[in-house]
Amino acid sequence: AQSVTQLGSHVSVSEGALVLLRCNYSSSVPPYLFWYVQYPNQGLQLLLKYTSAATLVKGINGFEAEFKKSETSFHLTKPSAHMSDAAEYFCAVSDLGQAGTALIFGKGTTLSVSS
Amino acid sequence: ETGVTQTPRHLVMGMTNKKSLKCEQHLGHNAMYWYKQSAKKPLELMFVYSLEERVENNSVPSRFSPECPNSSHLFLHLHTLQPEDSALYLCASSQKTGGPYEQYFGPGTRLTVT
Repeated sequence: AQSVTQLGSHVSVSEGALVLLRCNYSSSVPPYLFWYVQYPNQGLQLLLKYTSAATLVKGINGFEAEFKKSETSFHLTKPSAHMSDAAEYFCAVSDLGQAGTALIFGKGTTLSVSS
Repeated sequence: ETGVTQTPRHLVMGMTNKKSLKCEQHLGHNAMYWYKQSAKKPLELMFVYSLEERVENNSVPSRFSPECPNSSHLFLHLHTLQPEDSALYLCASSQKTGGPYEQYFGPGTRLTVT
């Protein structure tokens, strides 16, 4: 069965610093992987997705993620944090065993950005 | 309207009330989902509808009753809820086939049970 683990429930960075949010997955088949962002009192917004076309995936708002099969990782990065990046971030993997193709989400990482 | 919409955005109800949450998707998708998001807990998948048939309910209490009359609309009927049911309820939609199955979420309904 597929699963994801997000290391670190809370990450704090200064404005302009590198953002690194960690995600490790477990899957018996090549996975589809996703990163979502959630701002307070809003739904989840898709940041980017990995579909095996390229290991380095670029998303919205300057974020990117690299799929590393050898490390079973899909970490999210951004070179320079902005105050507006403060939010909760979720890593997810497709549950290919579900007829409805549900997603399995990690527990989330809250990103704080200080000035 | 575009994307996934949910109404109402906020709902306060007593434990003896009956209310319904509504979700509508304008993306042409054929699978829809209900999630529960409680404070400090991971997202909990409640129900999955694929091609308007329920395929997963994840042992949700019977006081939650979903309805999917067509591929664009999804309801969650609520009755005799408990205070611990207070949470953000999120609706999502996706394509069932063809991959990569990313889900698009609505803004959620913030439910408070008093």
